Amino acid sequence: DAGITQSPRYKITETGRQVTLMCHQTWSHSYMFWYRQDLGHGLRLIYYSAAADITDKGEVPDGYVVSRSKTENFPLTLESATRSQTSVYFCASRTGLAATDTQYFGPGTRLTVL
Amino acid sequence: AQSVTQLDSQVPVFEEAPVELRCNYSSSVSVYLFWYVQYPNQGLQLLLKYLSGSTLVKGINGFEAEFNKSQTSFHLRKPSVHISDTAEYFCAVSNLIYNQGGKLIFGQGTELSVKP
Repeated sequence: DAGITQSPRYKITETGRQVTLMCHQTWSHSYMFWYRQDLGHGLRLIYYSAAADITDKGEVPDGYVVSRSKTENFPLTLESATRSQTSVYFCASRTGLAATDTQYFGPGTRLTVL
Repeated sequence: AQSVTQLDSQVPVFEEAPVELRCNYSSSVSVYLFWYVQYPNQGLQLLLKYLSGSTLVKGINGFEAEFNKSQTSFHLRKPSVHISDTAEYFCAVSNLIYNQGGKLIFGQGTELSVKP
């Protein structure tokens, strides 16, 4: 299927465990992003990537690690999950930085850390 | 630094009534402005965007927004809402001039609830 997918859609884990959220896009977009959505905060950027092997921090990167070995995949890892990382996580992608380049979002992963 | 403020966290409205969702931004440079909609249990979809030109922007599903530079606002409007418009709406700003990775700065969101 064409588009941007995230897996798993729902995840429950325990404090201290490592968790990886997957993001896959079929458009070969250069740019990919990870956001977290929390009540009262809207969406906040965690990390982004301009191309394979190029990543950079966003607004709230602490406690997260990303990699991008292939253009189409952009996994997000919580190395040692904490309760404050309970959130809905959205992956997004776009072709480039032109104003006309639309940013597309995945369906989200709801993560609960007990 | 840029920021976005959505002035209402929740907006209840009756079906076929008009609605306005308010958004104010702050930025020291020119910006691009966006409205996204998030239906329950789905990702965000682009509703409309202002890049340049006419300050009145029309989007999908009958929504429109007006860019007001002097008031630094980008309010979203629809003359007659439907039950299916029930969703969360996010205003966002982007500054692409300084090559900041196309980062969108989002407001806190407004939950639009359309009642029959």
